[in-house]
Amino acid sequence: GEDVEQSLFLSVREGDSSVINCTYTDSSSTYLYWYKQEPGAGLQLLTYIFSNMDMKQDQRLTVLLNKKDKHLSLRIADTQTGDSAIYFCAARGGTYKYIFGTGTRLKVLA
Amino acid sequence: DAGVIQSPRHEVTEMGQEVTLRCKPISGHDYLFWYRQTMMRGLELLIYFNNNVPIDDSGMPEDRFSAKMPNASFSTLKIQPSEPRDSAVYFCASSLGQGETHEQYFGPGTRLTVT
Repeated sequence: GEDVEQSLFLSVREGDSSVINCTYTDSSSTYLYWYKQEPGAGLQLLTYIFSNMDMKQDQRLTVLLNKKDKHLSLRIADTQTGDSAIYFCAARGGTYKYIFGTGTRLKVLA
Repeated sequence: DAGVIQSPRHEVTEMGQEVTLRCKPISGHDYLFWYRQTMMRGLELLIYFNNNVPIDDSGMPEDRFSAKMPNASFSTLKIQPSEPRDSAVYFCASSLGQGETHEQYFGPGTRLTVT
């Protein structure tokens, strides 16, 4: 079935760039999303990319999509302690259902 | 808009009791989703509605779980009887069916503990 995979943990120093990776299996995925979850809170939409795009930039966030390899990445420039959270990748095909990854816990060291 | 509203935020109950979780979607959104989040299984879609009608309930784990959406501004997820393995954070999300992106907006969640 459809699957979305992410590494579980990432640790970076404040001021460095963070790169969170995601792979998905459904080649018909049309939209891919990144969500952020802070402790005790719901998921907050950060950004999304359409499958016919290779890259999307939004302030400190850069999303790269390699459709051939079904690989998605989220780069956070100048990572701050407030960026510490769990980041979820999600894929959506022709339906309204999202397939979420396991989430990557980002820890930013001061 | 206040965003997606869920109540209660925390629920502690004993095994065998009935639990009802509530959700108010963003006004105007026509899709509503119920998710469950646990450490072991991550984020799982339980059921989703379109215009108050259940479209896909394949994620509902057992008959003990039921969900309703009596009108466009209210949905419930009921567990009867509850079991300790139902302990999780339950999220409600809503989205607008028009357009292409269909971003889902999540509520703050209900943390359920069944003892």
